[in-house]
Amino acid sequence: GESVGLHLPTLSVQEGDNSIINCAYSNSASDYFIWYKQESGKGPQFIIDIRSNMDKRQGQRVTVLLNKTVKHLSLQIAATQPGDSAVYFCAENSGYSTLTFGKGTMLLVSP
Amino acid sequence: GAGVSQSPRYKVTKRGQDVTLRCDPISSHATLYWYQQALGQGPEFLTYFNYEAQPDKSGLPSDRFSAERPEGSISTLTIQRTEQRDSAMYRCASSPSPAGDVEKLFFGSGTQLSVL
Repeated sequence: GESVGLHLPTLSVQEGDNSIINCAYSNSASDYFIWYKQESGKGPQFIIDIRSNMDKRQGQRVTVLLNKTVKHLSLQIAATQPGDSAVYFCAENSGYSTLTFGKGTMLLVSP
Repeated sequence: GAGVSQSPRYKVTKRGQDVTLRCDPISSHATLYWYQQALGQGPEFLTYFNYEAQPDKSGLPSDRFSAERPEGSISTLTIQRTEQRDSAMYRCASSPSPAGDVEKLFFGSGTQLSVL
């Protein structure tokens, strides 16, 4: 199957811990941000999004924080589970009909 | 269909051959995107369609790359005279949002292209 993870930043956590994955975005004009989860052999899967008029948004076990001052985005996963193990990508939209993806972070959750 | 379907799942070809990749988006989705994803990297935009129109193809690496969506549903991505550097995962995504709004793309499993 598909293998990802070469030279990817990796975050290793224990099951039940809270995880924080960070992303620095590039375009100060970006007004919409998305976090995607990509499991091995699968396409990216939408997790949560946030618009630039917000600084925090919560979903089920996930929270996204946006700091426009320093162009930083983070994804917090509460009570991390082994099924959360995947590569996580942030993506930004700067008003054009495309998303620009970051390089990804691999999350490894140990039982 | 239930999700975005891409075929073939794997494609191995020799340098110089032409290849065509297929994407069948979610049936109600107007917009369809093609991305290229290198190993360990995030997807990179190639082109997108709003129904059969192709408003943006700025991400296509060269004129060897072309895409079609003649009836506003199934799309194909064709690479002519393939080169080794074309080896990558090619992902299709569709969205229920109108053109220009990239909310909540639904990605397919991709076609892994290997050019020998």
